[in-house]
Parts: sequence; structure tokens; C-alpha cells
Amino acid sequence: EAGVVQSPRYKIIEKKQPVAFWCNPISGHNTLYWYRQNLGQGPELLIRYENEEAVDDSQLPKDRFSAERLKGVDSTLKIQPAELGDSAVYLCASSYHSRDRDYGYTFGSGTRLTVV
Amino acid sequence: AQSVTQPDIHITVSEGASLELRCNYSYGATPYLFWYVQSPGQGLQLLLKYFSGDTLVQGIKGFEAEFKRSQSSFNLRKPSVHWSDAAEYFCAVGAALTYKYIFGTGTRLKVLA
Repeated sequence: EAGVVQSPRYKIIEKKQPVAFWCNPISGHNTLYWYRQNLGQGPELLIRYENEEAVDDSQLPKDRFSAERLKGVDSTLKIQPAELGDSAVYLCASSYHSRDRDYGYTFGSGTRLTVV
Repeated sequence: AQSVTQPDIHITVSEGASLELRCNYSYGATPYLFWYVQSPGQGLQLLLKYFSGDTLVQGIKGFEAEFKRSQSSFNLRKPSVHWSDAAEYFCAVGAALTYKYIFGTGTRLKVLA
């Protein structure tokens, strides 16, 4: 089974430029997450999708960040314009859960963003 | 509110020695608990998880963790560390069936040959 696939692995951009990250979750996983991991920190949730619906985006800085999950499968996370403080690793994860069972996440390898 | 504390930022052990990484959580109800490992430049890999039942949980790569409700802890252990275990380890807590996890700040493990 293929894991969670993210691209690109690395991205260097100048501040004020836009950037987009792509995630392909594990087939059949109904929940998709975007996390941000700052250097020396644990991951922090940005947004969670149940199928194609964003059910928790309370931590997403909506003035510059946007996300979509078309057809409930692939997802993109966009930053426009990027700021120096956005430099971090952006992790995508997916999971399957039923009404009474949580199977835990599978993470992708992440996209390391450097804003200069 | 949920929170996770990993008191040790760095730990250094010799190869072959035993290992215990500490994790304390704060949560009102029965939590879901996880340990993940992250090698440099990689995503997080699930080592083990606790949902309910037996409080001693076995995971991959020879790791185990014990849930102690009275101490609000979920410490990760390994009897004999291998050089390939050098990585960063994250504890996470989630509320049952919310599918949202809070991660600790991580413990970086260094293994001496």
C-alpha cells in the first residue's frame, strides 16, 4: 500500500511570493490533516477534512492560508503571500475511522518550506 | 484543555542500554495516546497507540509504553537501544473519537556507540 505522498519535498521562496503544497492520502482514508511543524517543536494542526468538508480549520491563518480537498481525495495547501515566519515543515496525514474506532494517523514525509 | 508534556528535550544513551522517554498528559476523560518517531528529514511514523484495555502496549521496533492513569503518564520504553533508534520521539494525546491529536514538543534521542 502506498503511503501518504506529499510534494514538493523542499521549497525555497522569497517572502510575499505564493506557494502551494500537494498531498495524496492513503486510498480509502476518509480524514485528511495538514499540520505545521516549526523547528524543534511538535506538529500543530492547521486543518482537518472529513471527506471533502473542512471540519476543523480553527488554527488556519485564513488571511493568507487556504486549503482545498477536491472530491475528497487529494488536497492542496496554499500560502499567499508567504512571510518569513511561515518557514516550517508542512505535514499531511490521513486516517480512517468509523463511528466507534480511531485507527491513528499515517503521515507523509512533509514539505520543508524556507522563506527568504 | 488537552496538553502533552515531554520533560526531556534531549536524552543520550549508550547502545545496548535501556531507554525510557517520559510523557505526561492533561485530559479530563480517557485519552487516546500515541508515540511517534521522526528520523531527520522524514515524516512521523507511528510506534504504538493506546485506546483502551491492557495498559502495557507493545509497538514496532521493540518499543513498549505503559499507560498509568493515576500519574497521567504514558512513558515509552525499550530494553536495549540500537544506534538506528537515534531520532526524535513525539508523544500525542487525542480525545476519543475527535480524531484531533495534540503533540508534545518532542525528545531527541542520541545513541552513543
